[in-house]
Amino acid sequence: DIQMTQSPSSLSASVGDRVTITCRASQGINLYLAWFQQKPGEAPKSLVFAASSLQSGVPSRFSGSGSGTDFTLTISSLQPEDFATYYCQQYKSYPLTFGGGTRVEMK
Amino acid sequence: EVQLVQSGPEVKKPGESLRISCKASGYSFTNYWINWVRQMPGRGLEWVGRIDPGDSYTSFSPSFQGHVTISADKSITTAYLHWSNLDSSDTAIYYCARFGEFLDSWGQGTLVTVSS
Repeated sequence: DIQMTQSPSSLSASVGDRVTITCRASQGINLYLAWFQQKPGEAPKSLVFAASSLQSGVPSRFSGSGSGTDFTLTISSLQPEDFATYYCQQYKSYPLTFGGGTRVEMK
Repeated sequence: EVQLVQSGPEVKKPGESLRISCKASGYSFTNYWINWVRQMPGRGLEWVGRIDPGDSYTSFSPSFQGHVTISADKSITTAYLHWSNLDSSDTAIYYCARFGEFLDSWGQGTLVTVSS
């Protein structure tokens, strides 16, 4: 199985801050990497697929980058509605695997 | 609009059986795999397994193989996740999700509580 390691596990930030979350795969996954946002009591929402393609309707302040084993999700200017938990997920091979999550909290 | 609507919350006792559902609409049901994902209380996301609604082929995470089954009824565009012998460790929210180019659409989740 491909292991996905996210860091940090949590971070504190303020509105307007630039936030970067990293995700590392235990083996190369090309661009088969997605990012999800989850708010308490809600289902995950897809943000980015193919490492850097923005899902329809996702604000442009979100961006993804990377390939192979190292990936990042960046929020260029954190908004109040962005406080949530973020997960990366590889879909290069089954079983699908998720990172442990990064909780973005208000400073 | 693609929609996945899941069945409501369930409370069961250990050893009981259960089937939860995921009703798909807004797309061709047989053209996309349906996946199931578990989220235990306060924890992250874990992939359970998937089904090809076209031919009912399934595959599972080793962690769930033999403990759950997945089925689909094309006539009513609905996928199911089944347990025949629930355990307290099955207490979690279960999400269904469509695999397009990735897990692009998710159901709202079904809370399963297993307690004696």
